[in-house]
Amino acid sequence: TQLLEQSPQFLSIQEGENLTVYCNSSSVFSSLQWYRQEPGEGPVLLVTVVTGGEVKKLKRLTFQFGDARKDSSLHITAAQPGDTGLYLCAGAVAAGNKLTFGGGTRVLVKP
Amino acid sequence: DAGVIQSPRHEVTEMGQEVTLRCKPISGHNSLFWYRQTMMRGLELLIYFNNNVPIDDSGMPEDRFSAKMPNASFSTLKIQPSEPRDSAVYFCASSQLAGVDTQYFGPGTRLTVL
Repeated sequence: TQLLEQSPQFLSIQEGENLTVYCNSSSVFSSLQWYRQEPGEGPVLLVTVVTGGEVKKLKRLTFQFGDARKDSSLHITAAQPGDTGLYLCAGAVAAGNKLTFGGGTRVLVKP
Repeated sequence: DAGVIQSPRHEVTEMGQEVTLRCKPISGHNSLFWYRQTMMRGLELLIYFNNNVPIDDSGMPEDRFSAKMPNASFSTLKIQPSEPRDSAVYFCASSQLAGVDTQYFGPGTRLTVL
């Protein structure tokens, strides 16, 4: 059983469409990170959120941390083929603690 | 900056053989992590080190797995004897600070045990 559940597991959309990926848990996290992983490479950090209710924007990507710090979402506006990849959320239960990763959401953006 | 370096990139071995995976973290980083990624179980933390000292090895599957960090610039993950279920991509990551800091991942080693 994953401590962090991501949904959907797979998402296929056309270029220009919007998408949202969810990361949910019954545990409270002191911080949560989102990574993107491309085939044959390691994950790369996109953002870290630490405050309940926090919203961060990175160009066309919007990240939100739930008020109770148990869930997070990633929204991509006007997706592009370059957004294709595996999106992973990772949470730390306490400051200074190790990360636990969700199962990932595989996103395919077709031109 | 060279980033995290892992070797080999691919390893194919037969069941029962010893496998050693190597990692060179980013210079100046104090924490090093070993992960395993499979389709079934996702990305799992195996062990991590702070200042070359193992802090948490609760993710190591069993005694067949061992990890060392003899100095700040080198770490190994050894599997002896290897089994087909060990087939996975093994990632090494490093971060500057202990705890939750940006982790920089290497390209991974794809291990296939026949």
